[in-house]
Amino acid sequence: QVQLQQWGAGLLKPSETLSLTCTVSGVSFSGYYWSWIRQPPGKGLEWIGDINHSGSTNYNPSLVSRVTISVDTSKNQFSLRLSSVTAADTAVYYCARIGWLGVFEYWGQGTLLTVSS
Amino acid sequence: EIVLTQSPGTLSLSPGERATLSCRASQSVSSSYLAWYQQKPGQAPNLLIYGASSRATGIPDRFSGSGSGTDFTLTISRLEPEDFAVYFCQQYGTSPHQYTFGQGTKLEIK
Repeated sequence: QVQLQQWGAGLLKPSETLSLTCTVSGVSFSGYYWSWIRQPPGKGLEWIGDINHSGSTNYNPSLVSRVTISVDTSKNQFSLRLSSVTAADTAVYYCARIGWLGVFEYWGQGTLLTVSS
Repeated sequence: EIVLTQSPGTLSLSPGERATLSCRASQSVSSSYLAWYQQKPGQAPNLLIYGASSRATGIPDRFSGSGSGTDFTLTISRLEPEDFAVYFCQQYGTSPHQYTFGQGTKLEIK
């Protein structure tokens, strides 16, 4: 059974850096892209970026200057760093596996980030 | 960037009725790369339809997808109580590599 378990800080002050990690179990880490997606409260979904097992990344152009996604294949983990957060970054952040035809097949449980001074 | 616009924003129907949800793209989207998700409160989205018309594993056959080019539709033939949720469409673009979602349609009980 595929499971994505994510964790990280849920409350940050403006200008701080968000760090989240997602651990994958029940499926091979290789051969797929792994993604971060966020959803502001009551709003729609925004793709942040993705990475494969060899470290090849793609980022949303609107966030590329502040985002880093990395991978640790030895631990079946991938991570998100988002720098210089503001209130506009307040959202639920999800990790997900990208499957065939570019769909988000499996999702983590979500982590609520609140940015407040 | 391809923008997906969903309509209506909110759809009020009764159990047993038919629901038709629309997703319109700002430019042509490959049908292969158009998907639909259901999201219930406090949960992550769940994949319903991929390739515009193929049901994901375990999805009941009352859910169907159709469309091509810039206009796509999700139809729920006979609404069950558990179908009342928010629905998102999503597209994958290969050049450039990016993913975008519609803003969602809330399906609520009338």
